[in-house]
Amino acid sequence: GAGVSQSPSNKVTEKGKDVELRCDPISGHTALYWYRQRLGQGLEFLIYFQGNSAPDKSGLPSDRFSAERTGESVSTLTIQRTQQEDSAVYLCASSYVGTGEETQYFGPGTRLLVL
Amino acid sequence: AQSVTQLDSQVPVFEEAPVELRCNYSSSVSVYLFWYVQYPNQGLQLLLKYLSGSTLVESINGFEAEFNKSQTSFHLRKPSVHISDTAEYFCAVSEKGGSEKLVFGKGTKLTVNP
Repeated sequence: GAGVSQSPSNKVTEKGKDVELRCDPISGHTALYWYRQRLGQGLEFLIYFQGNSAPDKSGLPSDRFSAERTGESVSTLTIQRTQQEDSAVYLCASSYVGTGEETQYFGPGTRLLVL
Repeated sequence: AQSVTQLDSQVPVFEEAPVELRCNYSSSVSVYLFWYVQYPNQGLQLLLKYLSGSTLVESINGFEAEFNKSQTSFHLRKPSVHISDTAEYFCAVSEKGGSEKLVFGKGTKLTVNP
């Protein structure tokens, strides 16, 4: 079946502009995660959605970052007033929580460059 | 809170040599352990994982990792590497019964030379 998809694959923006990144999880997956990978760094957790529970936003670096998810489908990550330090690859992952599988499947990422 | 340390940022080896990529973690609770691989210009893929049971886990392409609770380690090994194993390898943990979020190490770039 189809994997996790993300769009756009690349985004170049000017400092101060808002950007919106999209993630389509694997159909049926109840959990969705956003991570950020800055150059030379490991992945940093940003936010986690699980079903109808309140999202875990503990990884969002500032109030310029927000994310939404509609039911168990698409999610969007919005970065307002982008800064150069926001340049990174933003990765989305999904999983089916509850089976004991505990495996997150990652999308190809959106490479964001803030000029 | 958990943390993951991958001490080696780069590991160069020759083809057919053995390799060990080190991973140590810190956690006050029980964890699940994962190794993900990122091949050049590709997305992140699960290589292998430890959830419970046998502490030695294997992947389909010859890698293995052993969970050592006393040393809080989950080192990745392969007895004989191929050029196609060139990639970046990330160790990660998640809290058992927690929010499922993964905490990653900074990655080890494995380069296999002919």
